[in-house]
This record gives sequence, C-alpha cells and structure tokens, in this order.
Amino acid sequence: RKEVEQDPGPFNVPEGATVAFNCTYSNSASQSFFWYRQDCRKEPKLLMSVYSSGNEDGRFTAQLNRASQYISLLIRDSKLSDSATYLCVVKSPGSARQLTFGSGTQLTVLP
Amino acid sequence: ETGVTQTPRHLVMGMTNKKSLKCEQHLGHNAMYWYKQSAKKPLELMFVYNFKEQTENNSVPSRFSPECPNSSHLFLHLHTLQPEDSALYLCASSQVLGAGGIDTQYFGPGTRLTVL
Repeated sequence: RKEVEQDPGPFNVPEGATVAFNCTYSNSASQSFFWYRQDCRKEPKLLMSVYSSGNEDGRFTAQLNRASQYISLLIRDSKLSDSATYLCVVKSPGSARQLTFGSGTQLTVLP
Repeated sequence: ETGVTQTPRHLVMGMTNKKSLKCEQHLGHNAMYWYKQSAKKPLELMFVYNFKEQTENNSVPSRFSPECPNSSHLFLHLHTLQPEDSALYLCASSQVLGAGGIDTQYFGPGTRLTVL
C-alpha cells in the first residue's frame, strides 16, 4: 500500500462547481498534513495545512479524519485559475523533516 | 516568487558529462532539500540538509552528490547519469521550528533535466 494515495483524476468540472478530493495515508502515527498545489511545469506551493478540527480558507475547506486516515479538500465555486494538480502531503513521524507526497489529483475547471 | 531560486532551469546532458545544479534560498531558512519529480510519480525526497549538515539520504545513487556550503546554498553535482534520471529536480527550504513544529517547505522552480 502506498504511504499516501490519491485519485489521480483528471477531474474536469465546470466553472462554479464544487469539487472534492480525498487522500488516504497508511501510517496512523503521521502528525501533520498539507495540501499543496502544483501548476503545470511549475513548483509545488503550499495551499493550506490541515488541522484536526478542519479549517477553511476562502473557497477551500480541508478536513482530517484520523480514524479513517484520510484527508479531504473541498473547493467551492471553482474558478478557471483553480486548474492545477493538488498534492496531498503527510509529515511522517520519526523523521523530523521528511514529507511524503501523494502523486496528485489533476483538476481542470472548464469555462 | 517563493524566495528560492534554481539554476539552470533546463539542462540537457550526455551520460558522460558532469554538471551541477544550484539552489539558493533568500528566506533565512536553516534547512534545504533536494527532490526528484518524474512524470506521473510523486515527489521523491533525495537529500535533506539541516544547519548545513546532511541529515537524510534516501538511498540515492552515488552519481548524485549534494553539497551545502552554507545554509543559503545547495548544490547537486551530477556525473555519469542515466536516461532514467531525466526528471524535474526541485530544491526546497524551510525554517526548522524544533520538535513537533510544522516547518512549511518552499520550493524553487526546479531544473528540468534531460539525460541523453
């Protein structure tokens, strides 16, 4: 089983739609969770950290379910500029600096 | 701009060449990283430097040799690479916050490497 697993997509949605991505992780002792965004041929950039209580940043909502070991990202009222690959990232215990990246979920928002 | 720069942005090299990738961070961070991103694969951590000391080496072949002369600069020296080493090489930096701290990593734009 992969350490961090994501549906690769692609997700093709119309502008204004709500879209949700899920990610599962295998190590129950994982401590920190993030969503990164990577535009085509660009570097990954932090979108948001994921907190146990769930957190929201504008149109983006992240949730963590430790019991089921999954993380979700919800994008409301999607914009054309949201088109990108969304990377689920987990910080592993036992290695202070190591992040484990999922393969990413590709989103295309259509006009 | 993320404050992390990488040069060159593109590199084509033969299997017998020796080249170096350079990364510089302008964020005052004390940890730097090299990642490899191949097509359709997740980012793979290669090396971690914490306060200029290498703390992680994820079973990377010896044809990749990192160097960290100070906390702002990181190099990846390449020699006798294979075509399967063609990938996007990303540098990142973060500020170590201590045990349990969440240190966000900021990425450079990457060097797209092609090995012929």
